Amino acid sequence: DQQVKQNSPSLSVQEGRISILNCDYTNSMFDYFLWYKKYPAEGPTFLISISSIKDKNEDGRFTVFLNKSAKHLSLHIVPSQPGDSAVYFCAASFRSNDYKLSFGAGTTVTVRA
Amino acid sequence: DTAVSQTPKYLVTQMGNDKSIKCEQNLGHDTMYWYKQDSKKFLKIMFSYNNKELIINETVPNRFSPKSPDKAHLNLHINSLELGDSAVYFCASGDDRHYGYTFGSGTRLTVV
Repeated sequence: DQQVKQNSPSLSVQEGRISILNCDYTNSMFDYFLWYKKYPAEGPTFLISISSIKDKNEDGRFTVFLNKSAKHLSLHIVPSQPGDSAVYFCAASFRSNDYKLSFGAGTTVTVRA
Repeated sequence: DTAVSQTPKYLVTQMGNDKSIKCEQNLGHDTMYWYKQDSKKFLKIMFSYNNKELIINETVPNRFSPKSPDKAHLNLHINSLELGDSAVYFCASGDDRHYGYTFGSGTRLTVV
């Protein structure tokens, strides 16, 4: 039973525009959320995270928004660059579950020049 | 300098064989993980070791056995390989979930 869901398998965006990636979760015990980026033949790399006590966290071009009541988070990339073309995974964890990361299936982002 | 390295990168083997995947991290982390990425692209945790001690053991067939000779190494042994074991296996390490885990580049296992 997937507790973290990324319902959009792919996203295509023009260079310079905003990329918005969405993630939904079902387990209300999750208290920490992360986004990972993955290039082909490489492992996922940590991008940005947010605690459940916050509703927004920003790091350069990347901003993550958390809506706890809707059990929804999103990742905004502004402006999108060709190097952002990758698979983005949403992940979540909670303390009493030994901090295990539960991942979504990923969204493939393609940034068009 | 590779932070988390796993070998081999590709592994093709026949059903019934026994194989191992090695993982080493030079980040000084106490905790290491094995994740499996299945055909549907989900990353699912298999095992976690903290300072050589098993702390997470998900519902994984007992044909899979992790071994941690020291806190910098976490190897994965798989006995009697089956077709369904074909997947990409990722090793990771990390002590602070606030900074995420560092993943290796993955081992693509194909059982034929």
